[in-house]
Amino acid sequence: AQSVTQLDSQVPVFEEAPVELRCNYSSSVSVYLFWYVQYPNQGLQLLLKYLSGSTLVKGINGFEAEFNKSQTSFHLRKPSVHISDTAEYFCALRNSGNTPLVFGKGTRLSVIA
Amino acid sequence: DVKVTQSSRYLVKRTGEKVFLECVQDMDHENMFWYRQDPGLGLRLIYFSYDVKMKEKGDIPEGYSVSREKKERFSLILESASTNQTSMYLCASTMTSGRIGEQFFGPGTRLTVL
Repeated sequence: AQSVTQLDSQVPVFEEAPVELRCNYSSSVSVYLFWYVQYPNQGLQLLLKYLSGSTLVKGINGFEAEFNKSQTSFHLRKPSVHISDTAEYFCALRNSGNTPLVFGKGTRLSVIA
Repeated sequence: DVKVTQSSRYLVKRTGEKVFLECVQDMDHENMFWYRQDPGLGLRLIYFSYDVKMKEKGDIPEGYSVSREKKERFSLILESASTNQTSMYLCASTMTSGRIGEQFFGPGTRLTVL
């Protein structure tokens, strides 16, 4: 069975500070990893994805994530957050093209002015 | 611009009513999915479909059914709505295997069952 664990349900951070949202996964087969963001009252939007190749993946809005196979992690980082980054962030995985995504429970990022 | 649309943003129904949630995508995607989202539980898969007239149960199919008569449309049906089905419902679609693309999501339908 596959699973995704987001270790923090809520992360408060001051504006312009760095942030890391943690994600660990469990799978017996190779996986593809994703981070999605959900702004208030909206659907989910893709931030970035890891399919293969370089383990450091850059996404939209200045976010990046690093795939670490030995630690089964895919943590999301941003060096300097803005108020507009306040949202819920979901880590997800899948193991082939048409299998459903398996989601973590989400991390609510609150950026404080 | 790619789009997944859901028929309603907000819906209020009474216990025992039959409820239809509609989802339409304009990207010619083969695969479509229904999730429900609850605080602290993340997104949980209800049903998905790989093709017209095909359906597969997800993790929490009890109390739900689906219909996919056309490629672009995937409907979620609550045969007899109950208060524990009050939730946010999200539809998504993706192209078929061979390319590991992103799943595109609709804006969600917030359903309240009284």
